[in-house]
Amino acid sequence: GAGVSQSPSNKVTEKGKDVELRCDPISGHTALYWYRQSLGQGLEFLIYFQGNSAPDKSGLPSDRFSAERTGGSVSTLTIQRTQQEDSAVYLCASSSDSLDNQPQHFGDGTRLSIL
Amino acid sequence: DAKTTQPTSMDCAEGRAANLPCNHSTISGNEYVYWYRQIHSQGPQYIIHGLKNNETNEMASLIITEDRKSSTLILPHATLRDTAVYYCIVRVAAGGYQKVTFGTGTKLQVIP
Repeated sequence: GAGVSQSPSNKVTEKGKDVELRCDPISGHTALYWYRQSLGQGLEFLIYFQGNSAPDKSGLPSDRFSAERTGGSVSTLTIQRTQQEDSAVYLCASSSDSLDNQPQHFGDGTRLSIL
Repeated sequence: DAKTTQPTSMDCAEGRAANLPCNHSTISGNEYVYWYRQIHSQGPQYIIHGLKNNETNEMASLIITEDRKSSTLILPHATLRDTAVYYCIVRVAAGGYQKVTFGTGTKLQVIP
């Protein structure tokens, strides 16, 4: 079946521009996560959506970052006034529930480069 | 969060079993051990997970010690496509919220 789909796969933009990154989770998955991974680094949690509950935004690094999930499916991560330190791979993951024993399945990410 | 410790890198001959160790001595009783891997330029791929008992699926086997302080991921017949960074993690749960935090992992190089 289809996995987690992210678009675009690569994005190059100038400093100060806004960017939107999209994630299509696996159909039926209620939990959706955004992470970012800088070169050679581990995963940094950004935000978590579970069903219709209020999202956990505790990982967002600044108020330039926001995310929404419409209709409990597709999610968009928006970065306003991008900075060079925002350059990273942005990964989306989904799982069928928030219970301990449900693995997260990841997309291949959007590689964001800020010039 | 319970921390995990893994060797930085390992080599394995193609066709042989790859045994990847992980130490998680501060694991709590209700925390699961998960393994993911990441091949260059791809997102992390789920491999297997377990709580207490040994587990096996089509990709790998997971052996967890009786005291649960360590585990070993076994790839029974490593291929060149198994070359990747392997991450051992312990899941943290707080009110149903499930954050995944990767450490530096083990870089497995499968050698022809």
